[in-house]
Amino acid sequence: DTAVSQTPKYLVTQMGNDKSIKCEQNLGHDTMYWYKQDSKKFLKIMFSYNNKELIINETVPNRFSPKSPDKAHLNLHINSLELGDSAVYFCASSPGLAGGPQETQYFGPGTRLLVL
Amino acid sequence: GEDVEQSLFLSVREGDSSVINCTYTDSSSTYLYWYKQEPGAGLQLLTYIFSNMDMKQDQRLTVLLNKKDKHLSLRIADTQTGDSAIYFCAERFSGNTGKLIFGQGTTLQVKP
Repeated sequence: DTAVSQTPKYLVTQMGNDKSIKCEQNLGHDTMYWYKQDSKKFLKIMFSYNNKELIINETVPNRFSPKSPDKAHLNLHINSLELGDSAVYFCASSPGLAGGPQETQYFGPGTRLLVL
Repeated sequence: GEDVEQSLFLSVREGDSSVINCTYTDSSSTYLYWYKQEPGAGLQLLTYIFSNMDMKQDQRLTVLLNKKDKHLSLRIADTQTGDSAIYFCAERFSGNTGKLIFGQGTTLQVKP
């Protein structure tokens, strides 16, 4: 059984398009995250949600809008895609923010986005 | 500050021990993590250590933490070709947001 799943796995699109990436976790976790990994493998947090409430919003362009319809889902919508958005986007989840092992994050397989 | 640094590349022979090093800057970090990323895959949690511990051992993995020097290391004993991957060190940033700061990853190449 997949714990943290993302769709699609690969996404190739043209500049200027709008696209969404979906994430679902079946671990019963309260907290979910989006990370971006660039071509040099550098991994940086973008957003986190705890119980559907936005907790972290790093300096990400407002073309990126996360949406959490429920605790088990955190989707990422990207408007007006740019070449620099090409990267691997990872979703992650953790049991909560109580500290300690409760915050251990489990990652999805990633969505490879290529903007042409 | 928010900075975690790792060397970019390590090459070892099968059967040898591998040591991957990491330095971090947030002295109030409570937990530090090691993740493994195989080609084309997501990040797999390997182990973590609480900041009041010096060492943690889990089968072939040994984590050493020097809190004074803000230095973390991961030793893999009897390294196998299947251990070839990118290894990321991460610190839990202080505050109650769950934010992790990742190093840039160390690519471990295991030669047969």
